[in-house]
Amino acid sequence: EPEVTQTPSHQVTQMGQEVILRCVPISNHLYFYWYRQILGQKVEFLVSFYNNEISEKSEIFDDQFSVERPDGSNFTLKIRSTKLEDSAMYFCASTESSSYNEQFFGPGTRLTVL
Amino acid sequence: AQSVSQHNHHVILSEAASLELGCNYSYGGTVNLFWYVQYPGQHLQLLLKYFSGDPLVKGIKGFEAEFIKSKFSFNLRKPSVQWSDTAEYFCAVNPPSATNKLIFGTGTLLAVQP
Repeated sequence: EPEVTQTPSHQVTQMGQEVILRCVPISNHLYFYWYRQILGQKVEFLVSFYNNEISEKSEIFDDQFSVERPDGSNFTLKIRSTKLEDSAMYFCASTESSSYNEQFFGPGTRLTVL
Repeated sequence: AQSVSQHNHHVILSEAASLELGCNYSYGGTVNLFWYVQYPGQHLQLLLKYFSGDPLVKGIKGFEAEFIKSKFSFNLRKPSVQWSDTAEYFCAVNPPSATNKLIFGTGTLLAVQP
């Protein structure tokens, strides 16, 4: 069964460093998402992406964040200058179309900012 | 503020007990509703979804949920839980006028004792 994959599974970085989290969505999916879950808190929507552009972003997704689909398979989330409060589990998800489809989630990347 | 609420944060049941997990949302208009499950060490998986039609929806592994529009609720039920149902359960809403983003509840951690 096709699945969403994410690398790395755990990333440790120093405050102020740039990180890139990688995701490979399911191959025929067209809509891509990033969510995050700070320890002990709810899963929060960050951004949705379609047709090579952001279709919606949350208040969390400020100028420090960016997303890209650099090739036909990868979908990346970049945090330019990490802060302690960026420590969280980051989930990538994809869906085939915009309506009536479940989002398939990856296993997540645990980001630890020291 | 618009939100999704799960009232039970931690539930402990014995095998064969019945389960009901509450979910309420505060969005007006037409919403799509989901329950996701996260088994230990695994990624989020869809249990069931409601878009329209019969308000009683059946999902995988014997789970069902009932949409009650007047109560803004979408409670998850299972008549007889098993040890393998031990997991975290998340209610999620796709609110109106959104690009398919999901708004999650805080999650309910279910522990089933053999």
